[in-house]
Formats: sequence, structure tokens, C-alpha cells
Amino acid sequence: EADIYQTPRYLVIGTGKKITLECSQTMGHDKMYWYQQDPGMELHLIHYSYGVNSTEKGDLSSESTVSRIRTEHFPLTLESARPSHTSQYLCASSGQGSYNEQFFGPGTRLTVL
Amino acid sequence: GQSLEQPSEVTAVEGAIVQINCTYQTSGFYGLSWYQQHDGGAPTFLSYNALDGLEETGRFSSFLSRSDSYGYLLLQELQMKDSASYFCAVRPWGNTNAGKSTFGDGTTLTVKP
Repeated sequence: EADIYQTPRYLVIGTGKKITLECSQTMGHDKMYWYQQDPGMELHLIHYSYGVNSTEKGDLSSESTVSRIRTEHFPLTLESARPSHTSQYLCASSGQGSYNEQFFGPGTRLTVL
Repeated sequence: GQSLEQPSEVTAVEGAIVQINCTYQTSGFYGLSWYQQHDGGAPTFLSYNALDGLEETGRFSSFLSRSDSYGYLLLQELQMKDSASYFCAVRPWGNTNAGKSTFGDGTTLTVKP
């Protein structure tokens, strides 16, 4: 079944740790996105990719980095987590359709102590 | 740049009709989308308007007027499960390859018995 997956779903870590949030999709989509969203607040685009080896920063400045080595995989890495990074991180993908419908993963809720 | 405005909160009763407005300031865009997000969940795509006019999908309809820089989502026969946040989004010109969208701040709909 075509889908988009994120792991872990929940993560609690200490300040200064390096973490990688995983995102994979099985829909063959060329475009993928990372959003940051605080509870009850708007979505902020932090990274996007329109294909393998192509990544761009989004509208919201972020200390995270991303890579796109394979079409289906778009991991997000924080080299040194801080309490200000506490948030929900949503991964999404979209295909060639004119609607640009974005399919979202279940999200990773990150808490940095 | 792009700016989308939505009411922050709307309350209605079961069985009623509610309209969630989205006004925007943008230099040009391909279409207006709507997403639904339940508390703690991920956004899911609801509808897309590329052209002016009304698009109907079951109980939900979406409208776009480019000349008025305005769109809305109309929810009919409201059900308790419709309580959620609703986001409008535009895909601006000049981002064909990336398919990047800009999201509004979201409207929290509360449906009461």
C-alpha cells in the first residue's frame, strides 16, 4: 500500500544530542517536504526537495539539515538538539499532479530537555 | 511574497452549515487548496481550486475568486467529527519544480451538539 512513514513517532532527548528523523514514502513522489508545527499553530516549511540530490531551505530558518539520496527517503538531522527545537515535525510528499496535493506522514513529536 | 488570512476560530452546531474564509495577498498562484487536521493528527488534503468557482466534494465545497483575492471552504450538515483545524494553501508562481505551497495560519472549527 502506498504511504508515507515517519519514525520515531515520539522522541524525548537531552540537550546537545544529535538526532535524525526518518521519513520514507512509497508513492514514487519526486517532491518531499519537512514542516515544523507547534500545537494549535500554523505549519512552517523548513526544508523541501524536488528530486534526488536537490534540497532547499524553506520559509522558516532551521538549524536542521536534510539529504535526498534516494527518491523515497528524506531524513532530517539536528546536529545538536536544544529545547527550542521541541515541536512536531511533519514530513510530506507530492507528485506530478497539477493539484500538488501533499500527503503527510503521522509526524514526529520531539521534546528536548 | 504570499500572505493568507483565515479566522482563528469558528464554532457551529451539528447539522449546520459553516463557511471558513481565506483571503490572500500573492503575486500569482496556480491554485488554492484546503487541508483538514484533527488534533494530534497530520493534515489531509480536502480540495483544490485551480479556476474561479465552486468545487463540490460531498459535504464539503470550496470556492475561489481570483478577482477578489478570496476563497472559502463550505462545510454542510456538520458532524462532530468535523471538529478540526482547516488550512488554506496556495502554490505560488515560479515554484513549478518544487511544488512548494504556502499555508494559512489555520482555522479551528468546533462543532457543538
